[in-house]
Amino acid sequence: NAGVTQTPKFRVLKTGQSMTLLCAQDMNHEYMYWYRQDPGMGLRLIHYSVGEGTTAKGEVPDGYNVSRLKKQNFLLGLESAAPSQTSVYFCASSRPTRQETQYFGPGTRLLVL
Amino acid sequence: AQSVTQLGSHVSVSEGALVLLRCNYSSSVPPYLFWYVQYPNQGLQLLLKYTSAATLVKGINGFEAEFKKSETSFHLTKPSAHMSDAAEYFCAVSQYGNKLVFGAGTILRVKS
Repeated sequence: NAGVTQTPKFRVLKTGQSMTLLCAQDMNHEYMYWYRQDPGMGLRLIHYSVGEGTTAKGEVPDGYNVSRLKKQNFLLGLESAAPSQTSVYFCASSRPTRQETQYFGPGTRLLVL
Repeated sequence: AQSVTQLGSHVSVSEGALVLLRCNYSSSVPPYLFWYVQYPNQGLQLLLKYTSAATLVKGINGFEAEFKKSETSFHLTKPSAHMSDAAEYFCAVSQYGNKLVFGAGTILRVKS
């Protein structure tokens, strides 16, 4: 099992450009999440999904959109990138209940110039 | 609302010394608590979690944590630090919907 994979690993964007980050999991998990990690701030939830076709906002959703067309995939989009979106992005997945472990991907490092 | 405070953004210990990383939480519901470790340029890996079964929780790599409700704490310990323990450690509390709220993280440095 590959677990949670993320594409790409690293990307440089210019301000105003758009891009999509792809997350895939092979554990048949219902729930999927997108976090961003910034120094000294831990991880903050951007958006999450509790099942195919459903998405919801997390703590810092502005400037991002998501889609969950297939159970195993969760896409994070930046329509018009800004320097404040320079960060490391992590995807995670889990079973539905509150005590379940979230399994994280290796991360995507994004630099917006 | 849930929140997590990790005391000390950087902790430095000598190899073989006790590791103590502090985590305090606030939660309006019975908490489920997690410790994750992040090695450089990698994703997060679960060390251990508290799900109300036992207050002393043992995890991987010799780490353990004790849930203390009266102190709203879930500190992480390891009796003897190893060079390979150098990493960043995150404490997190689970909200409804299984959303995690993370602390700011503690970077552990192990000196030889």
